[in-house]
Amino acid sequence: GNSVTQMEGPVTLSEEAFLTINCTYTATGYPSLFWYVQYPGEGLQLLLKATKADDKGSNKGFEATYRKETTSFHLEKGSVQVSDSAVYFCALTLDTGRRALTFGSGTRLQVQP
Amino acid sequence: DAGVTQSPTHLIKTRGQQVTLRCSPKSGHDTVSWYQQALGQGPQFIFQYYEEEERQRGNFPDRFSGHQFPNYSSELNVNALLLGDSALYLCASRPTSAYTQYFGPGTRLTVL
Repeated sequence: GNSVTQMEGPVTLSEEAFLTINCTYTATGYPSLFWYVQYPGEGLQLLLKATKADDKGSNKGFEATYRKETTSFHLEKGSVQVSDSAVYFCALTLDTGRRALTFGSGTRLQVQP
Repeated sequence: DAGVTQSPTHLIKTRGQQVTLRCSPKSGHDTVSWYQQALGQGPQFIFQYYEEEERQRGNFPDRFSGHQFPNYSSELNVNALLLGDSALYLCASRPTSAYTQYFGPGTRLTVL
């Protein structure tokens, strides 16, 4: 079956630190990969996406590269801000999205001033 | 352009009761999916509706049912509520030709 594994949190960083949140996946086929962010008390917001191997998704200073050889889609940001504090979810879907999203368990990021 | 909207925001029910949650998709989106997010967990897929029919279903019992209306809005119904049904219920929509789903703010259901 399809699955997504994320590093456990919480991840606690100081402002302006470098962020990496690891995500690996197992899929039957060639998935599209996503990072969603959930701020306290809110629903999910799409952060970035990549649809094929070696694609790099980027948004708001966050980046992730689709690595087929390592089945990974790690999220990175060079300098985090307090406002980045949230829960980050890695997810995949197959067959151009006709199938459901499969999510990881989420990683909570806490950025301290 | 309004995004995905859901109602109500919060709901408290007791075991054995029935509940209906509502979702209006983003403009131009005709495919609606529902997800259950338990506290501290990632969302789990319940089912997906397109052209007023259930097209795909996750690993949820028949107590969970849904409906899609001609205007693409959708309802999620849960019968015989259990304590374990307490969760945030998320609605997501997309155009059927696209793969990116857009989520609503969710409905927080508490079962006592």
